[in-house]
Amino acid sequence: GESVGLHLPTLSVQEGDNSIINCAYSNSASDYFIWYKQESGKGPQFIIDIRSNMDKRQGQRVTVLLNKTVKHLSLQIAATQPGDSAVYFCAEGSNDYKLSFGAGTTVTVRA
Amino acid sequence: GAVVSQHPSWVICKSGTSVKIECRSLDFQATTMFWYRQFPKQSLMLMATSNEGSKATYEQGVEKDKFLINHASLTLSTLTVTSAHPEDSSFYICSVRTLAKNIQYFGAGTRLSVL
Repeated sequence: GESVGLHLPTLSVQEGDNSIINCAYSNSASDYFIWYKQESGKGPQFIIDIRSNMDKRQGQRVTVLLNKTVKHLSLQIAATQPGDSAVYFCAEGSNDYKLSFGAGTTVTVRA
Repeated sequence: GAVVSQHPSWVICKSGTSVKIECRSLDFQATTMFWYRQFPKQSLMLMATSNEGSKATYEQGVEKDKFLINHASLTLSTLTVTSAHPEDSSFYICSVRTLAKNIQYFGAGTRLSVL
């Protein structure tokens, strides 16, 4: 079946810099996309979502961009902090309410 | 504060025994909950959809008789791993779907270790 995937498995970023995490998806029928953050030993934490009829959405220090033409999703984190170190997953959903998760990107923030 | 409470957070059991994991929706009534399994350094894999008042819907390859799901109320779903074996050792996570935005909020997960 179709699945969501990530371009890079790891990302190292200097504290204070901006981070960009990428995600490629293949299901053109997906209605919405969600970014989650998962710290070691914990459940995923909701960050931000975007519907398929949008191309950009901003939250607190985060921006999600959706390019349906190339089926690409990205999460931008501004002024990355040590607390941002975690695994980030993109997930896609459609009208059956199930989520399909990508492989995850491990973000490490260097002090 | 936490939207979803999952218990226990960690359990060790002997091979052949059964383990029950609880998932509670704290802030709202949840007609639909989901159960996932996550192996180390891997992504979340959906096991089943738990529907209040009806049978759970299992994903392909997930044994319904091995992973019993009960969703008897709008705030509680349970997953019972029956006759657990070492290969069932994993991180089990539940989620609750919000009606307004279809966003799923996750519990803290349960680490199951079968000896």
